[in-house]
Amino acid sequence: EADIYQTPRYLVIGTGKKITLECSQTMGHDKMYWYQQDPGMELHLIHYSYGVNSTEKGDLSSESTVSRIRTEHFPLTLESARPSHTSQYLCASSELGQLNSPLHFGNGTRLTVT
Amino acid sequence: AQSVSQHNHHVILSEAASLELGCNYSYGGTVNLFWYVQYPGQHLQLLLKYFSGDPLVKGIKGFEAEFIKSKFSFNLRKPSVQWSDTAEYFCAVNGPGSGGSNYKLTFGKGTLLTVNP
Repeated sequence: EADIYQTPRYLVIGTGKKITLECSQTMGHDKMYWYQQDPGMELHLIHYSYGVNSTEKGDLSSESTVSRIRTEHFPLTLESARPSHTSQYLCASSELGQLNSPLHFGNGTRLTVT
Repeated sequence: AQSVSQHNHHVILSEAASLELGCNYSYGGTVNLFWYVQYPGQHLQLLLKYFSGDPLVKGIKGFEAEFIKSKFSFNLRKPSVQWSDTAEYFCAVNGPGSGGSNYKLTFGKGTLLTVNP
């Protein structure tokens, strides 16, 4: 069972809506990440954080934004959703300072923008 | 930039067959290697990892992987698969070419394994 929780699990919304994808972890991990995954494709890192008030862009450019006000919470926001944002979004966390500690993933949010 | 290739998009096997999933990466220096698995309806989870030492590493559920530095490969194996091994398998590589720490793993596209009973 995952100790990292993502809500909603599925989301279908119309173009132009503002959405926030929630991600919380109970393991006290400092590092958190957002990946984007399309079917049959690699996971692409879009945002990461080393801790509270730390956020960085990942390898794949994204119009989404993130915040890290609390260690356990790392929400992702799209101000104006478009069909091109349709994808699966995976949140993950890992321990800071533990060299190459594995990522713990949530179940993901499958977003469809109509 | 680091890249990871998984050569098989979809593998279909019968129970008790042997499994080998290929994974090759591009960076030639020191790397750390991972296999993650995603069972239907579940989250991605770590199957096994290699950092240093014995290039043959063992993971959960009878899986193992062999790191062959000269071939830039980290193939996943299991001698006898079960129906419950049906899942998607992702190879991931972390090394100086991808940020030097865990936060920027490079993933392959994944291999879907279907095991027929």
